[in-house]
Amino acid sequence: TQLLEQSPQFLSIQEGENLTVYCNSSSVFSSLQWYRQEPGEGPVLLVTVVTGGEVKKLKRLTFQFGDARKDSSLHITAAQPGDTGLYLCAAPPSSGYALNFGKGTSLLVTP
Amino acid sequence: KAGVTQTPRYLIKTRGQQVTLSCSPISGHRSVSWYQQTPGQGLQFLFEYFSETQRNKGNFPGRFSGRQFSNSRSEMNVSTLELGDSALYLCASSLGAGNQPQHFGDGTRLSIL
Repeated sequence: TQLLEQSPQFLSIQEGENLTVYCNSSSVFSSLQWYRQEPGEGPVLLVTVVTGGEVKKLKRLTFQFGDARKDSSLHITAAQPGDTGLYLCAAPPSSGYALNFGKGTSLLVTP
Repeated sequence: KAGVTQTPRYLIKTRGQQVTLSCSPISGHRSVSWYQQTPGQGLQFLFEYFSETQRNKGNFPGRFSGRQFSNSRSEMNVSTLELGDSALYLCASSLGAGNQPQHFGDGTRLSIL
C-alpha cells in the first residue's frame, strides 16, 4: 500500500488568510485526486492532477502536482468560512482498484 | 442526476449484534467501494465490487462482508459488532477503473453501545 502523508493535520486560521496543505509520498503516482469533506457529508472531488508539474486552479484554490509525481499541494487564497472542512488527497494503487487516501488536513476558518 | 444514496444515515447497535448497510450508486456506475472512517485512522478501504464480483479487499476481519446485486446496489454486513466498529461507513461509486474519481454518499454513522 502506497502511503500518503498529509500535513498539517489541523489548521485553524482567520478569514482572509492564505494557507497551503501538503500531500507527500515516496511513491510515484499516475494521478492524484483532492477531495473536501464537510461535516456530516461524504467527500466531494475537487480536482484530479495527472501530469508532473501540473497546476490547476479552482476559483481561490490552486492545486499543484510535483514534477516527480510524488507530492502535491493545495493553496487557498483569502480563505473563507465556507472553506472549512477536511481536505483529503487520494491516489490510485500501483495494482488493484482501491484508491489510497491520506488521513487529511482538517481546516477551520473563523470569521 | 441522483447521487450515491446510503441508508440508514444513523444506526445504534449493541455489542454482539449484526448490522447491514445499504448503498445505491449513481446510475451507470458499476463499481462500488466501501470505506470506514474514524478520527484516528482516517478513511480505510474495506472492499470494492464491480459487476457483482469483489475485486479488492482491505485489511479487515472476516466479520466485515459485502455483496453487490445485479443492479449495482451494494450492501455491507458487520457481524458480532465490537465497540471499535463505531465509525462513519462511506460508500463510493465510480465508472470502474482504479483511477476514476469516487462519488461518495453521505455515509452511515454507526454507534456501538
